Amino acid sequence: GNSVTQMEGPVTLSEEAFLTINCTYTATGYPSLFWYVQYPGEGLQLLLKATKADDKGSNKGFEATYRKETTSFHLEKGSVQVSDSAVYFCALRSSGGYNKLIFGAGTRLAVHP
Amino acid sequence: DTGVSQDPRHKITKRGQNVTFRCDPISEHNRLYWYRQTLGQGPEFLTYFQNEAQLEKSRLLSDRFSAERPKGSFSTLEIQRTEQGDSAMYLCASSLVDESTDTQYFGPGTRLTVL
Repeated sequence: GNSVTQMEGPVTLSEEAFLTINCTYTATGYPSLFWYVQYPGEGLQLLLKATKADDKGSNKGFEATYRKETTSFHLEKGSVQVSDSAVYFCALRSSGGYNKLIFGAGTRLAVHP
Repeated sequence: DTGVSQDPRHKITKRGQNVTFRCDPISEHNRLYWYRQTLGQGPEFLTYFQNEAQLEKSRLLSDRFSAERPKGSFSTLEIQRTEQGDSAMYLCASSLVDESTDTQYFGPGTRLTVL
C-alpha cells in the first residue's frame, strides 16, 4: 500500500542553520506530494507541493524536489529562523482518483536563537 | 478570510456518551474530508464527501462513527458510545475538485478527550 516515511525528530538547530527533513514514499503510479506545517496551537497549513517528477515546490524559503528515481521529497531551507519551529508533515495523494492524503508521522523542528 | 472552521474546538466527554462535531468548509469547495490525528502521529483519513455524497470510508471508521453532509455544505461527524481510544484531534479539510492538484485546506481541529 501507499505510505510515507519521515525522519524522526526532534530536529534541533541554531538560527540560520541549514535544514533538511527527509521524506520517502511508497506509491503506485504518479502521486502528488505535499509538505504541511503545524505551528504550536494551530491547524495544518500547506507549505508546498509538487505534482510530477522533477517538480520543485517552494514557499517561504523552503524547497522540496519530487525525485521519482529515489521516491523522495526532502524538505530544505537554507537558513532557518526561530519562527520556523513547528511540526512538519510530508504527505502524498495517490493518482488514479484516490483523493485521500497519506501522511508521515511528522518531524518536530526546534530552532534556537 | 473564510477558511475551514470547526466547532467545538475542544470536547471532553465521558465514556459511553455520544458526541457530534461540525465542520464548515471553504465556501464553494465541493470536497470535504475528515481525518483523525493522535498524539505524535500524522493525520489518518476517515472519510470524504463530494458534494453530499460520501464517496469513501476508511476501515478506521467503525460503525460507531457516522458522517453526513446533507446539503453539500457543512458536515457533521458523530461518534456514538465513545471509548477512551477515540480521544484524538479530529480534523476537517476541504478542496475544490476543479483544481488540478485538489489541494486540501485544513481547519483547526476538534480535540476530543474521553474520560
